[in-house]
Amino acid sequence: AQSVTQPDIHITVSEGASLELRCNYSYGATPYLFWYVQSPGQGLQLLLKYFSGDTLVQGIKGFEAEFKRSQSSFNLRKPSVHWSDAAEYFCAVSGGYQKVTFGTGTKLQVIP
Amino acid sequence: DAGVIQSPRHEVTEMGQEVTLRCKPISGHDYLFWYRQTMMRGLELLIYFNNNVPIDDSGMPEDRFSAKMPNASFSTLKIQPSEPRDSAVYFCASSLGPTGEQYFGPGTRLTVT
Repeated sequence: AQSVTQPDIHITVSEGASLELRCNYSYGATPYLFWYVQSPGQGLQLLLKYFSGDTLVQGIKGFEAEFKRSQSSFNLRKPSVHWSDAAEYFCAVSGGYQKVTFGTGTKLQVIP
Repeated sequence: DAGVIQSPRHEVTEMGQEVTLRCKPISGHDYLFWYRQTMMRGLELLIYFNNNVPIDDSGMPEDRFSAKMPNASFSTLKIQPSEPRDSAVYFCASSLGPTGEQYFGPGTRLTVT
C-alpha cells in the first residue's frame, strides 16, 4: 500500500530564510506526487505536482520540489520565505488507479 | 468555474440531531471525496465516489455516517445521530480521475454540543 511520511510536525523559520519541508513516500512504481497548502480556515490548495519528466518541479508562490527516486523523497523548497507562507503543508502520493494518500502535514511558522 | 462548493460553512447542532453536509463538485470531475480534519487525527478520507458510485467507504467511522451522490453535481454527507466527537471540519474535494489533483472546497466546520 502507498504511504507518505512527513517527519516534521512543526517548523519555524525566519522571514527571508530558505525553507525545505521533507516528504518521503512508499509506492511500488513511479508515483504521482503532490504538495498542497492549507491556510488557516481554508481548504487545501495545490502548490505543485509531479507526474513524470523533469524531476525538479516548479509550483505557485515561488515553491519548487524535487523528486528523488533513489531516496523516495519529494521535498518542498522555497529560497526566501514570506510571512504569508505561514500555513500547513501536505505532501500526497498516488499511482495507477489508487486514490491519493495524504501525509500528516507540516505546520510552518514564520517569524519576523 | 466556481470551484467546489460546500454548504453550510458552519454548523452548530446539539447531540442527537441529524446533520447534513452538502457538496457541489467541479463540473466534469468524475471523482468526489469526503474528508474529515481534526487536530487529533489530521486529514482522514471518509469515502469517495466515482461517477456517482461509492467506491471505498472504509474510512466512514461508523453507521451513524452515510453519504450519497444522487447525481454528478451533488453529494451529501449525513450524520445521524450526531455526537460531540463528530466535531471537525469536513471537506469535499473533486478530481478528474482518481490520481489527478484534487480541488478542495472551503469546508464545513461542524460543532456538536
